[in-house]
Amino acid sequence: DAGVTQSPTHLIKTRGQHVTLRCSPISGHKSVSWYQQVLGQGPQFIFQYYEKEERGRGNFPDRFSARQFPNYSSELNVNALLLGDSALYLCASSPASGGGPYNEQFFGPGTRLTVL
Amino acid sequence: AQSVSQHNHHVILSEAASLELGCNYSYGGTVNLFWYVQYPGQHLQLLLKYFSGDPLVKGIKGFEAEFIKSKFSFNLRKPSVQWSDTAEYFCAVNARGSTLGRLYFGRGTQLTVWP
Repeated sequence: DAGVTQSPTHLIKTRGQHVTLRCSPISGHKSVSWYQQVLGQGPQFIFQYYEKEERGRGNFPDRFSARQFPNYSSELNVNALLLGDSALYLCASSPASGGGPYNEQFFGPGTRLTVL
Repeated sequence: AQSVSQHNHHVILSEAASLELGCNYSYGGTVNLFWYVQYPGQHLQLLLKYFSGDPLVKGIKGFEAEFIKSKFSFNLRKPSVQWSDTAEYFCAVNARGSTLGRLYFGRGTQLTVWP
């Protein structure tokens, strides 16, 4: 079975531009979460979607938005890019939403975003 | 708010040395605890997890961790490290029973093992 896939692998943008990152969850998983990992730090939670609805949002500005499609894939959009948005963006999928024992999150390889 | 502290930012060991990485968390309720590993060029992988029961949990590749509730700690251990254990290790928690599975990560510990 394929794991979590993300595209693109790498992306270079300039300040003020917009970016869209994509994620396909493991087959059968209905929840997708997005995390931002800045160099030297642990991943920080951005969003969680379950059954196409936003279930939670981290402490990120409104420039960050996301959505989940009927096939459970997801997009993360970032507007008006800043230098500080340079990071590895991770997508994680899980069977459901919540902190249950069988709801392990599986991570994709990430998209490395560089903002110049 | 929940927070996770990993006190060792970079650990350097020789092969066969023993490993212990510290992790402490701050949260007022019941938590699930995780250790993730990120090998060079690879994605985050789950090493082990604790939900309930025996506080000593065993994971893949000979790793284990002990949950000490009174100390809010979940330290990772391995009796004898190998060169292939070189990686970054992240401790994480989420709220048990929450409808949101949001993970809170520590800043990570880079482990370098010399052959």
